Amino acid sequence: DTAVSQTPKYLVTQMGNDKSIKCEQNLGHDTMYWYKQDSKKFLKIMFSYNNKELIINETVPNRFSPKSPDKAHLNLHINSLELGDSAVYFCASSPVPNTEAFFGQGTRLTVV
Amino acid sequence: GENVEQHPSTLSVQEGDSAVIKCTYSDSASNYFPWYKQELGKRPQLIIDIRSNVGEKKDQRIAVTLNKTAKHFSLHITETQPEDSAVYFCAASIGSGYSTLTFGKGTMLLVSP
Repeated sequence: DTAVSQTPKYLVTQMGNDKSIKCEQNLGHDTMYWYKQDSKKFLKIMFSYNNKELIINETVPNRFSPKSPDKAHLNLHINSLELGDSAVYFCASSPVPNTEAFFGQGTRLTVV
Repeated sequence: GENVEQHPSTLSVQEGDSAVIKCTYSDSASNYFPWYKQELGKRPQLIIDIRSNVGEKKDQRIAVTLNKTAKHFSLHITETQPEDSAVYFCAASIGSGYSTLTFGKGTMLLVSP
């Protein structure tokens, strides 16, 4: 019954590795997002994906790449992980842009 | 792009008191202003939102006010309870086709019994 689900919930990995976080929503929403929440709790948009169009926050390193196999999924792939990538990553979805965003439970990524 | 400032960063109140959190935004094209509550270790969840065609909205103990001219909006919580303790985020969104929420930096609210 979970509306927006992410896996894994926790991810510990070494610097330089490549990892993916999966996100699925069963709400039938058209728009999905990835947010990064740093240690100071600041929520920052990374990507939004609507109707097959990807909007990228220009501050996001190109080591981060979202992949959407279909409207219900927006996965996040990260190459060459760095210590500064450690954060909680939230997937979210909304019916259309500019409406309520429903968040997943978050993935706590720790790079060692 | 949009910039959202939120104050205060921390707020401590006694149970039963009122709490007010204020936000300002930079882009006059913003027209959607939600507030999210995030409990420790949990996901952000919407508690109330307002659109620019409305000046005030209330839901039980929670209210939001919007001043478009001054480009600021506020969250008001009355009769606070310990379970209101959490981090609260304001956000703003421009009403274009691919707009995204820009969040403030959050306010940690602590309600003491």
